[in-house]
Amino acid sequence: DGGITQSPKYLFRKEGQNVTLSCEQNLNHDAMYWYRQDPGQGLRLIYYSQIVNDFQKGDIAEGYSVSREKKESFPLTVTSAQKNPTAFYLCASSPRTGGVEQYFGPGTRLTVT
Amino acid sequence: KQEVTQIPAALSVPEGENLVLNCSFTDSAIYNLQWFRQDPGKGLTSLLLIQSSQREQTSGRLNASLDKSSGRSTLYIAASQPGDSATYLCAVGFYGNKLVFGAGTILRVKS
Repeated sequence: DGGITQSPKYLFRKEGQNVTLSCEQNLNHDAMYWYRQDPGQGLRLIYYSQIVNDFQKGDIAEGYSVSREKKESFPLTVTSAQKNPTAFYLCASSPRTGGVEQYFGPGTRLTVT
Repeated sequence: KQEVTQIPAALSVPEGENLVLNCSFTDSAIYNLQWFRQDPGKGLTSLLLIQSSQREQTSGRLNASLDKSSGRSTLYIAASQPGDSATYLCAVGFYGNKLVFGAGTILRVKS
């Protein structure tokens, strides 16, 4: 079964703790993306990676960090510097950059109290 | 800065009705436009992708049109069914495959 997996589905953390969200794809896609979704709002781009060992900041990168050591994996760390981390986080991938369809994972709902 | 607006924010229709969802964007220098469906608490499912050189795409009961010059796209759903109830998101694509999303239209089809 080809697709994108995100784990866990629900994550709870105390304020001040860093937390890492997992994203894995077996579609052999070059590009991967992290988005954040808040209630009643569209998705906003956090980070994206076009190739292994390379990534760029999106529109709301502050308080987040990523790595891309393997083609199939793009973990996102939500640091304690992120002021409002509670949100629904979605990972996506695409075959290459430029004019192609993005495919999304099932999402991780992070709650920080 | 690109802004994407979707109207209406919510829509409730009886089963069997044909309906139109609207998406507008401020910057016409786009690579493509993608329509997604999102069920509550789930990820996004891609419905249709229209390249900037295309005017429309069709898949089953769905038809999406694109007018770059006016900054508009519509998603037409024919003969709506209760299973079509979901949030529909429009996203415009730019260089580097970056997407800018609208806030979505929440659709409810009543049986």
